[in-house]
Amino acid sequence: EVQLLESEGGLVQPGGSLRLSCAASGFTFSHYAMSWVRQAPGKGLEWVSAISASGGNTYYADSVKGRFTISRDNFKNTLYLQMNSLRAEDTAVYYCAKDGEAARGLDYWGQGTLVTVSS
Amino acid sequence: AIRMTQSPSSFSASTGDRVTITCRASQGISSYLAWYQQKPGKAPKLLIYAASTLQTGVPSRFSGSGSGTDFTLTISSLQSEDFATYYCQQYYSYPRTFGQGTKVEIK
Repeated sequence: EVQLLESEGGLVQPGGSLRLSCAASGFTFSHYAMSWVRQAPGKGLEWVSAISASGGNTYYADSVKGRFTISRDNFKNTLYLQMNSLRAEDTAVYYCAKDGEAARGLDYWGQGTLVTVSS
Repeated sequence: AIRMTQSPSSFSASTGDRVTITCRASQGISSYLAWYQQKPGKAPKLLIYAASTLQTGVPSRFSGSGSGTDFTLTISSLQSEDFATYYCQQYYSYPRTFGQGTKVEIK
């Protein structure tokens, strides 16, 4: 059974940093691209970042480029999102998600973790 | 970035109704489109990928169509468990943008 378990988020002050992790199990982690998607309270889904299976290619939304860094450890089966220079508008539930086989969208999602940026 | 526009943003329907949600891309995305269902407090669930292929385990009352810039999600006979918010997403290019969502409410 595929499982994606995000680390606990939390309350961070504006300008602060936080690293999220997502522990994967139930599939060969190193074979799949992974993504982070967020959802601000009461709002829609926003794609944040993605990383290729090997980790050699990374992609970002303009809203987080230069502030967030996605990475992965294929030995630990873990995906990361390092978030720096956090802003109030980064407040959201953050989901990690697994890419499907050969262009199938995001077929498995974690339960989400809430990050609140506030003083 | 490719902009995805869904319509309507919300609507009310009754159990048994046939409902259609539209998604339009600002440029051609071939068939690189997915549909997701999200219920309150839950993670999204993949329903359809490649514009028209049903994800394993998804009921056959769901169907998708379209290619290029115009896509539709159809629920042939709305069930109580289908009241939710639906999102389209293009995965033709990065950033992989979502539509703004369509909330299906009980009439």
